[in-house]
Amino acid sequence: ILNVEQSPQSLHVQEGDSTNFTCSFPSSNFYALHWYRWETAKSPEALFVMTLNGDEKKKGRISATLNTKEGYSYLYIKGSQPEDSATYLCASLNAGNNRKLIWGLGTSLAVNP
Amino acid sequence: DGGITQSPKYLFRKEGQNVTLSCEQNLNHDAMYWYRQDPGQGLRLIYYSQIVNDFQKGDIAEGYSVSREKKESFPLTVTSAQKNPTAFYLCASSIWGLAEQRDTGELFFGEGSRLTVL
Repeated sequence: ILNVEQSPQSLHVQEGDSTNFTCSFPSSNFYALHWYRWETAKSPEALFVMTLNGDEKKKGRISATLNTKEGYSYLYIKGSQPEDSATYLCASLNAGNNRKLIWGLGTSLAVNP
Repeated sequence: DGGITQSPKYLFRKEGQNVTLSCEQNLNHDAMYWYRQDPGQGLRLIYYSQIVNDFQKGDIAEGYSVSREKKESFPLTVTSAQKNPTAFYLCASSIWGLAEQRDTGELFFGEGSRLTVL
């Protein structure tokens, strides 16, 4: 059984704080690691899809790192803004899994102005 | 604009009734998916389709049926056999990569449909 775990489950920060979340995933037969942002009443949107060990991706104030050997990824938000409030989901895609992503439960972030 | 459209957003159903959720995409994606979200659980795959006229069961297909007669459309029917149908349903699509293309499976989602069984 493959499990993807995210921590913390929820997080409350003040505007301007920097924060980070963790996603751990099975490292065997790894193919790709996805991060999505899901704002309330909207559709989930892909932030990053990462495949290479040691890879680091950045989009504005948000960045992510990937360690495929130990099976974890970090998502960082620098200088959090209220519009960053959302649930952040990660999902693991394993080779041979026939395109079936395994999803974590998400980290719910609330940024207080 | 290109995207995924799900309808209806909210749906109420009486026990014993079948209901069909619509999912349409104009992204020219080959693959389409249906997920279910319940409180305290990650997204769970119900059915997926890689190509027109073909689909496969996901992890929780019992009590559901799908069709893929057109590339753009992947409707989900929640049948009366589904024991706990009240949930939030998400449709998604992705490019289904060929061997020579490196496709990492990024999903594009609709806004979801919330089904409540009364």
